[in-house]
Amino acid sequence: GENVEQHPSTLSVQEGDSAVIKCTYSDSASNYFPWYKQELGKRPQLIIDIRSNVGEKKDQRIAVTLNKTAKHFSLHITETQPEDSAVYFCAASKMGFQKLVFGTGTRLLVSP
Amino acid sequence: NAGVTQTPKFQVLKTGQSMTLQCAQDMNHEYMSWYRQDPGMGLRLIHYSVGAGITDQGEVPNGYNVSRSTTEDFPLRLLSAAPSQTSVYFCASSYSIQGPAKNIQYFGAGTRLSVL
Repeated sequence: GENVEQHPSTLSVQEGDSAVIKCTYSDSASNYFPWYKQELGKRPQLIIDIRSNVGEKKDQRIAVTLNKTAKHFSLHITETQPEDSAVYFCAASKMGFQKLVFGTGTRLLVSP
Repeated sequence: NAGVTQTPKFQVLKTGQSMTLQCAQDMNHEYMSWYRQDPGMGLRLIHYSVGAGITDQGEVPNGYNVSRSTTEDFPLRLLSAAPSQTSVYFCASSYSIQGPAKNIQYFGAGTRLSVL
């Protein structure tokens, strides 16, 4: 089955810096890659997703890139703000088959 | 729309007790699933359902049962609680068909379970 690895497990940046979180997946048939943000004590919430027919997607300060050949995808956050502090999870699945397999999470801390 | 509603929010059980975690959604989603979240391990899929009357096992199904008698409800049953089942449980739902915005999974607020 699918296996998703996520790095780093913790990431500390200064406000205004960029943050990059990387994930690799094992199943070449996976074609849907969402990213979730989870604030302390809250539910995971989708922040951006990408499908395998797209190499990059941007939404304001966040972007996701996908390299199908290498089977890895990354989350990029620019101009980080303290409210970006949270745990971020990547996931992978085959579209139309909703079994998401999650990475182990990255705790992002943005210091003012 | 309330979205995905989970009850209870918190629960403490003794080893060997049974209980049911409730999950309901009002978005007419075909797909529903249960995850458990443990520190350092992300979210792991317990069971899922692609529609009423259809359920299947996920990554960590042992010790849990599910049923899906209606589109709206997907309860998770702990048959005989064990300390290893101490965790935060999330229910999620989505459409099951492909297409933009159709695959987004919406999560409930979670149930924090402690088994003593």
